[in-house]
Amino acid sequence: DTAVSQTPKYLVTQMGNDKSIKCEQNLGHDTMYWYKQDSKKFLKIMFSYNNKELIINETVPNRFSPKSPDKAHLNLHINSLELGDSAVYFCASSPTGNYGYTFGSGTRLTVV
Amino acid sequence: QQQVKQSPQSLIVQKGGISIINCAYENTAFDYFPWYQQFPGKGPALLIAIRPDVSEKKEGRFTISFNKSAKQFSLHIMDSQPGDSATYFCAASMADDMRFGAGTRLTVKP
Repeated sequence: DTAVSQTPKYLVTQMGNDKSIKCEQNLGHDTMYWYKQDSKKFLKIMFSYNNKELIINETVPNRFSPKSPDKAHLNLHINSLELGDSAVYFCASSPTGNYGYTFGSGTRLTVV
Repeated sequence: QQQVKQSPQSLIVQKGGISIINCAYENTAFDYFPWYQQFPGKGPALLIAIRPDVSEKKEGRFTISFNKSAKQFSLHIMDSQPGDSATYFCAASMADDMRFGAGTRLTVKP
């Protein structure tokens, strides 16, 4: 009964491949997010979805695309993977309004 | 452009000591200031948070001090324990937009 769950936990793939990371939350939260944590531990927001609408899209390459089939899921698709995409990707969710986020345990992506 | 600046980058404290981590923000539209704790291999977990209408919030050994006029806030960990060794992130948020500091790696020596 994990609150925010991500799969897979580890992902090793070759350059040029296309991959997806799945995220599900069972908290009933309205907004979900994707963050990228680089090797220096810096957390950078990539996307957020509120009621199936993209409300933040930072300067992320268009090879990355979020897909939200419903309020409880926000998946991340990555096309044509590059070495620089190697990082830990975190999914998070929050209720409506300005409150703390609940993070998943992360997906460590390694591109070789 | 980093909207939340955090210091120090790393901190070593003896068991029983006080750990202090500082953050500063630029955007006065931020109205929620949480601190997150992250252990290796885990996601960040909300530790304590404050809103700008109060100057201090305490939960157990953790205290946030908030200075609205200076646009600064800090986390104090009293009686630091080896189990507190982790990376700590401050953040500032408005609506559905949360920005994180660069993190502080805290090591508490026994």
